[in-house]
Amino acid sequence: DVKVTQSSRYLVKRTGEKVFLECVQDMDHENMFWYRQDPGLGLRLIYFSYDVKMKEKGDIPEGYSVSREKKERFSLILESASTNQTSMYLCASSFQAGARTDTQYFGPGTRLTVL
Amino acid sequence: GQQLNQSPQSMFIQEGEDVSMNCTSSSIFNTWLWYKQEPGEGPVLLIALYKAGELTSNGRLTAQFGITRKDSFLNISASIPSDVGIYFCAGQVKTSYDKVIFGPGTSLSVIP
Repeated sequence: DVKVTQSSRYLVKRTGEKVFLECVQDMDHENMFWYRQDPGLGLRLIYFSYDVKMKEKGDIPEGYSVSREKKERFSLILESASTNQTSMYLCASSFQAGARTDTQYFGPGTRLTVL
Repeated sequence: GQQLNQSPQSMFIQEGEDVSMNCTSSSIFNTWLWYKQEPGEGPVLLIALYKAGELTSNGRLTAQFGITRKDSFLNISASIPSDVGIYFCAGQVKTSYDKVIFGPGTSLSVIP
């Protein structure tokens, strides 16, 4: 079974703090993704990575950065947390088979509250 | 940009009833996906559809990829309490990568 784990289930931070969200997958997947989930808006892609040290902006990258130093680990960084970044953050990974991307597998999510 | 609309937004049904929900878009997709998210968990893939017109079942779940490639539906037969959750449709389109766009979700509650 594919396992995607996220470092924290719940996190409370203060405005202006630097926040790190960690994601690890154990299936040697090439692709990793960070989404945020807000009621009524579904999942929105923040950043993704298709290889170590590679990253691409998703639909809402503003206020976020990412790091992928190892294949199994993808970190989301909030340089200076703001209250509008209070949300559920979901990490996902997928296998790349040639030109076709396989299904995304999700972690359990981190619910971040910024006060 | 590309957007998906899901209906209904929420449903309250009696155990044993059948459920139908759908997903529409103004854009064409290559792949349609249906995910379920239970409280406190990440979404889990239920069904993937790869061809227009395709009808696929997974136990009590049946989903179809619309002929126009702009819509999909999911049916659940004989609902049970553990069907409770949020059901997301997602469309996949080829850009510089296989971009997946998620709908806003349908929240399902099953009354025992």
